[in-house]
Amino acid sequence: EAGVAQSPRYKIIEKRQSVAFWCNPISGHATLYWYQQILGQGPKLLIQFQNNGVVDDSQLPKDRFSAERLKGVDSTLKIQPAKLEDSAVYLCASSTHYEQYFGPGTRLTVT
Amino acid sequence: KQEVTQIPAALSVPEGENLVLNCSFTDSAIYNLQWFRQDPGKGLTSLLLIQSSQREQTSGRLNASLDKSSGRSTLYIAASQPGDSATYLCAVLDPPNKLIFGTGTRLQVFP
Repeated sequence: EAGVAQSPRYKIIEKRQSVAFWCNPISGHATLYWYQQILGQGPKLLIQFQNNGVVDDSQLPKDRFSAERLKGVDSTLKIQPAKLEDSAVYLCASSTHYEQYFGPGTRLTVT
Repeated sequence: KQEVTQIPAALSVPEGENLVLNCSFTDSAIYNLQWFRQDPGKGLTSLLLIQSSQREQTSGRLNASLDKSSGRSTLYIAASQPGDSATYLCAVLDPPNKLIFGTGTRLQVFP
């Protein structure tokens, strides 16, 4: 079974630029998550989708972050404009029930 | 609000030692607890998942225990090897379906 796929793996941008990350979950997984992991910290949930709908986006900075999951499969996370403090690893995960499976992450550096 | 704490933050041991990583959480109303491994620049690999009704899980040289009433879990690694060097993250699954992570224990096993 193929795992969770993410791209790109690395991205370097200047502050105030925009960036987008892509995630393809495990086939058949209805729930998809985006996490932000700042260096030295544990991952923090940004947004959770159940099929097409948003279940929890309480920790998503909505003035600059947006996410969508069209057709209930792939998802994109966008940051516009980026700030220095957005430098982190962005992890995507998917699940069917109560166990989440994580992708390799995208390491974002904002200079 | 659920808080997850991991002690110690870092650990350096010689090869062959048995070691214990600790995780504590503040709210015992959890669905399960998971231990993950994270290698530098990589995503999360699930090591062990303990359901709330279980007391422990074992996989090879790893054994994880869960005491829900006291809000504690331990990860025991037997006969440590240099290949065990990584960051170990503990996470609890809060109702309805939110994974809360600790800040991790960075382990180095030297030959």
